[in-house]
Amino acid sequence: NAGVTQTPKFQVLKTGQSMTLQCAQDMNHNSMYWYRQDPGMGLRLIYYSASEGTTDKGEVPNGYNVSRLNKREFSLRLESAAPSQTSVYFCASRETAGSTDTQYFGPGTRLTVL
Amino acid sequence: KQEVTQIPAALSVPEGENLVLNCSFTDSAIYNLQWFRQDPGKGLTSLLLIQSSQREQTSGRLNASLDKSSGRSTLYIAASQPGDSATYLCAVRDRGQAGTALIFGKGTTLSVSS
Repeated sequence: NAGVTQTPKFQVLKTGQSMTLQCAQDMNHNSMYWYRQDPGMGLRLIYYSASEGTTDKGEVPNGYNVSRLNKREFSLRLESAAPSQTSVYFCASRETAGSTDTQYFGPGTRLTVL
Repeated sequence: KQEVTQIPAALSVPEGENLVLNCSFTDSAIYNLQWFRQDPGKGLTSLLLIQSSQREQTSGRLNASLDKSSGRSTLYIAASQPGDSATYLCAVRDRGQAGTALIFGKGTTLSVSS
């Protein structure tokens, strides 16, 4: 049981380049999330997926797209990277069962856009 | 719009001291509140979950309380240890939006010296 995995761990891009951040969970959770974490800003929601086949915008969706490929995988795409997208990106999945409501986070992807 | 504030932003204490971290939120109509721990360069780990109908939760040396009417939660750490040094994040999930994401405070960075 690997939990939530993210690839890559580190990435450096030039302005205008594109890339996809991959996220997968092996816990059979319905809900998955993408956050970014910036110094002094805390974690902010980019996109989320309440279930397979659905996605919704969060607080800061501009410049990003997502795909919920199947129940396990939820990817985040930067079509044309900008320096303002330099951040640490976290993927998470959510377990709800009875009174349980636990959010599991991946280790993060540290992205630098030059 | 729900906003979550954590005070103080940073805290330094000697080993063995009991301490309290504070969290406040602007909209009392919450589904639940969670406390997380984040170690430098790592993802988030869930510590405690308090449902909206509960007043407190305990896990080992940690005790979290919730006062919805005043929009406040506290995390009490007893007999602090150097291994408790980390950033502690408070997050709320709004009622009626069970599929949506947690809204995070910016965190309190705790340093416990031996």
